[in-house]
Amino acid sequence: DQQVKQNSPSLSVQEGRISILNCDYTNSMFDYFLWYKKYPAEGPTFLISISSIKDKNEDGRFTVFLNKSAKHLSLHIVPSQPGDSAVYFCAARGAQKLVFGQGTRLTINP
Amino acid sequence: DTAVSQTPKYLVTQMGNDKSIKCEQNLGHDTMYWYKQDSKKFLKIMFSYNNKELIINETVPNRFSPKSPDKAHLNLHINSLELGDSAVYFCASTPTSGSTDTQYFGPGTRLTVL
Repeated sequence: DQQVKQNSPSLSVQEGRISILNCDYTNSMFDYFLWYKKYPAEGPTFLISISSIKDKNEDGRFTVFLNKSAKHLSLHIVPSQPGDSAVYFCAARGAQKLVFGQGTRLTINP
Repeated sequence: DTAVSQTPKYLVTQMGNDKSIKCEQNLGHDTMYWYKQDSKKFLKIMFSYNNKELIINETVPNRFSPKSPDKAHLNLHINSLELGDSAVYFCASTPTSGSTDTQYFGPGTRLTVL
């Protein structure tokens, strides 16, 4: 009963184009959502977050969109750069803990 | 000047053994966590300590025992290791136990049980 799911295990995007990573959740009590980025042999690092009272948060090339009615969030990266190649985890917070998805491996092709 | 460090990075051991993984953070944070990344790649919380006190204990077998000698350290001891314990274990910390704090993760410890 995974409450946070990332249904695409991998995504390949051309450099300079837009990368869109998706995440679905089931628990309507989640009130804060985060994206983490992970390089090989390193721990996840925080990328961007959004409160449930908002539907969009932007930080440079990264934008997170939240659709509460659909229980869906997405991360847009534009333009995509080679250094963006990594595994991206979405996470949702409830009851003082984070619930993570299983990650999507993003590969940016030159 | 590593923020959250874990030792060892890799651990290979036989079934039935007892092993420990150490975690230290030099960020002055009050809250520390242990996560397990299983074979399906989900990161799942195991334990959380705030100022040396246990605040979250998920349904983890009691073979796993966290120990926090001070708020900068949270070690994980595992008794009678089983094949299913093979995973990557991540330590993390946050300034407080607040719900919107960013979590800072260590590099992970890959445990392989043979």
